[in-house]
Amino acid sequence: NAGVTQTPKFQVLKTGQSMTLQCAQDMNHEYMSWYRQDPGMGLRLIHYSVGAGITDQGEVPNGYNVSRSTTEDFPLRLLSAAPSQTSVYFCASSLRGRGSNTDTQYFGPGTRLTVL
Amino acid sequence: AQSVTQLDSHVSVSEGTPVLLRCNYSSSYSPSLFWYVQHPNKGLQLLLKYTSAATLVKGINGFEAEFKKSETSFHLTKPSAHMSDAAEYFCVVRISSNTGKLIFGQGTTLQVKP
Repeated sequence: NAGVTQTPKFQVLKTGQSMTLQCAQDMNHEYMSWYRQDPGMGLRLIHYSVGAGITDQGEVPNGYNVSRSTTEDFPLRLLSAAPSQTSVYFCASSLRGRGSNTDTQYFGPGTRLTVL
Repeated sequence: AQSVTQLDSHVSVSEGTPVLLRCNYSSSYSPSLFWYVQHPNKGLQLLLKYTSAATLVKGINGFEAEFKKSETSFHLTKPSAHMSDAAEYFCVVRISSNTGKLIFGQGTTLQVKP
């Protein structure tokens, strides 16, 4: 298993540009999520999905869109990038979301995004 | 509301001495708690998790943590630090059994001096 993969590893955007951060997992996990990591703030949840076709907002959803058309993929879209979105983005997945407190979440290696 | 507070943003120890990273949580029901480690420019790796089976939880690389409900704490310890333990550590609480949502502490940077 490749686990959770993210592309690209690094990206530089100009303000107003759009892009999609890719996330894929090959573990047949139902639950997938996106976090952003900023210095001194830990990781904050952007959006999450408990299964294909189901998404919901996390703590900091503004400026980001997601969709979940397949179990494997959970892309994160920035429609109009802003400097405040400069961060490291992590995708995570776990076997189940609903009804389980104990599932371990597996994290991808991260995407380092800079918006100029 | 659920929350988690890591009491130290930076901890420095000498190699071979004990490690203590402190974490307090707030939860309206019995929580699931985790410790993750992040080495520089790497992703997050699970160290250990508490799932109500046992209050003393053993993890990888010699780390362990004790869940103390009366103190709402889940401190991470290791008897003897190794240089390779230098990293950032996150205490995490799972806030919902329906959605799998996690809340992260602010992180503690562990420095290990030779």
